[in-house]
Amino acid sequence: DIQMTQSPSTLSASVGDRVTITCRASQSISNWLAWYQQKPGKAPKLLIFKASSLESGVPSRFSGSGSGTKFTLTISSLQPDDFATYYCQQYNSYSSITFGQGTRLEIK
Amino acid sequence: QVQLVESGGGVVHPGRSLRLSCAASGFTFSNYPIHWVRQAPGKGLEWVAVLSYDGNSQYYADAVKGRFTISRDNSKNTLYLHLNSLRPEDTAVYYCVRVGHDGGPNWGQGTLVTVSS
Repeated sequence: DIQMTQSPSTLSASVGDRVTITCRASQSISNWLAWYQQKPGKAPKLLIFKASSLESGVPSRFSGSGSGTKFTLTISSLQPDDFATYYCQQYNSYSSITFGQGTRLEIK
Repeated sequence: QVQLVESGGGVVHPGRSLRLSCAASGFTFSNYPIHWVRQAPGKGLEWVAVLSYDGNSQYYADAVKGRFTISRDNSKNTLYLHLNSLRPEDTAVYYCVRVGHDGGPNWGQGTLVTVSS
């Protein structure tokens, strides 16, 4: 099974900051990686798919990069609505999908 | 647009069974494998199971293997998850997820299963 290691687990930042979250796969997943934002009581919201494709309706301050085993999610200028938990997900093989442990983005 | 709607959750005693449903619309259901993913209260996302587009291949997480069964009815555009021998640690919100290589994954809104005596 492919393991996903996400870091950091918690990130403290201020409005206007640029932040980066990293996800590493235990083997190559090409670019089959998605990033989600989740708020309490809600389903995960898709931000990025295929490592760098921005989902329709998602603000352009969110961007994704990487391929193979190392991936990053960047928020260029944090807004108050961005404080949430973020997850990466690999979907290289249909027989299983796996998630990072999550990054809680909190207000400094 | 793609829509997935889960149902069937509720409160159940340990050892009992439950069947979850996921009704799909907005895409050709019979062309896609569909996954179940769960999230225990305050925890991260955990993959549970997947069924191939034709129902012939199924895969399970070790935590549910032998207790849960995934199935589908392509004539009804519906995916199922049969939960047997439920344990308190199965308490979670259960989501169905369409994953394809033609766009981003699509999620339902989830259904809550609570296993408690």
